[in-house]
Amino acid sequence: AQSVAQPEDQVNVAEGNPLTVKCTYSVSGNPYLFWYVQYPNRGLQFLLKYITGDNLVKGSYGFEAEFNKSQTSFHLKKPSALVSDSALYFCAVRGDTGRRALTFGSGTRLQVQP
Amino acid sequence: EAGVAQSPRYKIIEKRQSVAFWCNPISGHATLYWYQQILGQGPKLLIQFQNNGVVDDSQLPKDRFSAERLKGVDSTLKIQPAKLEDSAVYLCASSLEGAIATDTQYFGPGTRLTVL
Repeated sequence: AQSVAQPEDQVNVAEGNPLTVKCTYSVSGNPYLFWYVQYPNRGLQFLLKYITGDNLVKGSYGFEAEFNKSQTSFHLKKPSALVSDSALYFCAVRGDTGRRALTFGSGTRLQVQP
Repeated sequence: EAGVAQSPRYKIIEKRQSVAFWCNPISGHATLYWYQQILGQGPKLLIQFQNNGVVDDSQLPKDRFSAERLKGVDSTLKIQPAKLEDSAVYLCASSLEGAIATDTQYFGPGTRLTVL
């Protein structure tokens, strides 16, 4: 079975500081990893994905994520946080064997303080 | 390009009533998904269509939930009869070719269902 863990319900960071939102996963075969962001009363917006190749993936709005196979992690990062980054962030995984459904974590609320 | 469209955006019903949600995917996307997102949780896949055929409905409570995508474009998800625990946001997503594991899913704004 595949699963995603987002160990922090909430992350607080000051504007201008770097941010990290953590994600670890478990999946059969090769992992395909995704980050989505959800603003209030909106659907999920795609940020970035890891398929293969370079472990550092760059995405929308200045976000990037680092894939670490040995630690089975895919942490989301941004060098300088903005107040407008405050939202709910979801990590998701899909394997290349077995069930192909996208499995989501429970989400991490990012709060950026001015 | 236009995104995934869903309607209604909000629905309030009483338990044991029926309700239906509609989704129109991004033009040209072969795969359509329905997810249920309960407050405080991540989305959970209910059903996946490839064109007008069902690929995965293993998590769909088939005694009360049904879905169809008759012409391989838009889709309807129905709940009959609704229970209190069905209160959630129902998200529709689409992807160009869902059979490819690396394919990106794009989500609609969702329908927030409240069952009283």
